[in-house]
Amino acid sequence: DTAVSQTPKYLVTQMGNDKSIKCEQNLGHDTMYWYKQDSKKFLKIMFSYNNKELIINETVPNRFSPKSPDKAHLNLHINSLELGDSAVYFCASSQAGVNQPQHFGDGTRLSIL
Amino acid sequence: EDQVTQSPEALRLQEGESSSLNCSYTVSGLRGLFWYRQDPGKGPEFLFTLYSAGEEKEKERLKATLTKKESFLHITAPKPEDSATYLCAVHSDTGRRALTFGSGTRLQVQP
Repeated sequence: DTAVSQTPKYLVTQMGNDKSIKCEQNLGHDTMYWYKQDSKKFLKIMFSYNNKELIINETVPNRFSPKSPDKAHLNLHINSLELGDSAVYFCASSQAGVNQPQHFGDGTRLSIL
Repeated sequence: EDQVTQSPEALRLQEGESSSLNCSYTVSGLRGLFWYRQDPGKGPEFLFTLYSAGEEKEKERLKATLTKKESFLHITAPKPEDSATYLCAVHSDTGRRALTFGSGTRLQVQP
């Protein structure tokens, strides 16, 4: 059973397009996250939702819009894709409360042509 | 702003050759330090959480320790299957639930 699943695994598209990445977790966690891993392998937080409520919104272009239809899903929509958006995007989830370990999906590799 | 620095960037060991990975951190009140393992094409896999200086945790050939400024991940008699990137992350008193990650140490264990 996959705990945190993301789709698609690979996404190749052209500059200017709009795309979405979906994430689902079956762990019963209340909190979900989106991270971006750049070419230097740093993982940086983008957004976090707790029970469908946005609690972290880092300095991310407003072309990126997260949506949480329920606490098991957190999708990421990106408008007007730019070359600099090329990266691996990871979804994660954790139980509510501080210091709970986060469990990650296997990432979506986004390549902008 | 929280900062996490990992060293070395890359480490090549022979099977059975023990070593340590370092994670130095600067945070405003540490709530927890996390170690993850990441295999190519996969997401980070949780290994340990350490909460206070002096704490130690072990799992198979891995042992994590914590001081007030750094954490070490000791690998005893590594095997080729221990090859991966090891990531360190911190959670601090900023009140947010996000982790601040280091850039990782790429470990290669040769048979």
